[in-house]
Amino acid sequence: AQTVTQSQPEMSVQEAETVTLSCTYDTSESDYYLFWYKQPPSRQMILVIRQEAYKQQNATENRFSVNFQKAAKSFSLKISDSQLGDAAMYFCAFFYNAGNMLTFGGGTRLMVKP
Amino acid sequence: NAGVTQTPKFQVLKTGQSMTLQCAQDMNHEYMSWYRQDPGMGLRLIHYSVGAGITDQGEVPNGYNVSRSTTEDFPLRLLSAAPSQTSVYFCASSRDGTDNEQFFGPGTRLTVL
Repeated sequence: AQTVTQSQPEMSVQEAETVTLSCTYDTSESDYYLFWYKQPPSRQMILVIRQEAYKQQNATENRFSVNFQKAAKSFSLKISDSQLGDAAMYFCAFFYNAGNMLTFGGGTRLMVKP
Repeated sequence: NAGVTQTPKFQVLKTGQSMTLQCAQDMNHEYMSWYRQDPGMGLRLIHYSVGAGITDQGEVPNGYNVSRSTTEDFPLRLLSAAPSQTSVYFCASSRDGTDNEQFFGPGTRLTVL
């Protein structure tokens, strides 16, 4: 079974600064995908960024980037130039094709201070 | 495109009542799924479908039924509601089982008294 662990229940960052959210996972699969989802108070799940395990290059989407360490089974999210609108729950998730399902971590609540 | 829609947005049930949560998508996606989100937790998969007429169980299927008679619709049925089923329910869809970008609906908050 696949497991995803987010060890930081809450994080806080000053506006315009950088914050890193941690995620580790456990799997015996070699071909899989990793995701970060954002859930604002509206509770809509919004895909922030995704990483294919076979790609060595870390994914980047504007102010969001990941540090993917496959051997360590680590997948952290870095948010640069944090904005008030970044305040939300962030979920790390794992997917492999044969499993047909997303496995989510418990989430990290990010607060952004003005 | 409306994307993934869910109805109702909120629902209160009494223990033992049954109801159906509706989910529809207009993106011609083959893969659809239902998740529940309990307070302070991530989403957990209840059931999924890889196409019309095909459904399978996820991580927490007990107490729920699904069917997939059309590509667009994937209703979730609670047969006899229990307080443990109080949760927020999300429907999601993706192009097919190997397309890993899933689109989520806005969720249904269900309370069982």
